[in-house]
Amino acid sequence: AQKVTQAQTEISVVEKEDVTLDCVYETRDTTYYLFWYKQPPSGELVFLIRRNSFDEQNEISGRYSWNFQKSTSSFNFTITASQVVDSAVYFCALSDTGNQFYFGTGTSLTVIP
Amino acid sequence: DADVTQTPRNRITKTGKRIMLECSQTKGHDRMYWYRQDPGLGLQLIYYSFDVKDINKGEISDGYSVSRQAQAKFSLSLESAIPNQTALYFCATSDSGQGSNEQFFGPGTRLTVL
Repeated sequence: AQKVTQAQTEISVVEKEDVTLDCVYETRDTTYYLFWYKQPPSGELVFLIRRNSFDEQNEISGRYSWNFQKSTSSFNFTITASQVVDSAVYFCALSDTGNQFYFGTGTSLTVIP
Repeated sequence: DADVTQTPRNRITKTGKRIMLECSQTKGHDRMYWYRQDPGLGLQLIYYSFDVKDINKGEISDGYSVSRQAQAKFSLSLESAIPNQTALYFCATSDSGQGSNEQFFGPGTRLTVL
């Protein structure tokens, strides 16, 4: 069965600190996709990144970076020099070949000014 | 204009009432989904539809029904609302494929059942 675990329920950091959000997944599929979504206080879900199971190359986008490691079934998300606008709930998700999504329970990040 | 819209955005209703949440999309996607979000539980899939004639139950379909009136419209009904259906409901769409495309979410409907 597919499963996504985000063990960190809530994280608080002071502005400008770096923070890493953990995501561990379980799947028996060899082809799958991993996603991160951001849910700001306004409630909408914002797509951040997609990664397929055959591409373990890490990705950086501005202050955001993602570390995908199949050996540990992890897809961690790091925010460098955090800002107050980064305060949100972040969801990691897994998509299997049936195009169903499995979401983690989310990590609530608070950046303190 | 938003690609995925949900109406209403907020709704307060009473136990036992029938309520319908509507979702429309202009993305031309064939797949549509309904999720509910409860604090601390993430998003749980209620129903999904891969085309107009295809409806599938998700992990928490009890107490809900859906209708795919057209490729662009997917509605969720609560035949007899109960308080534990109070939640934030999201509609999502995706393009057909092998899970390679992200799901695009509507703005959500906040439902309160008293």
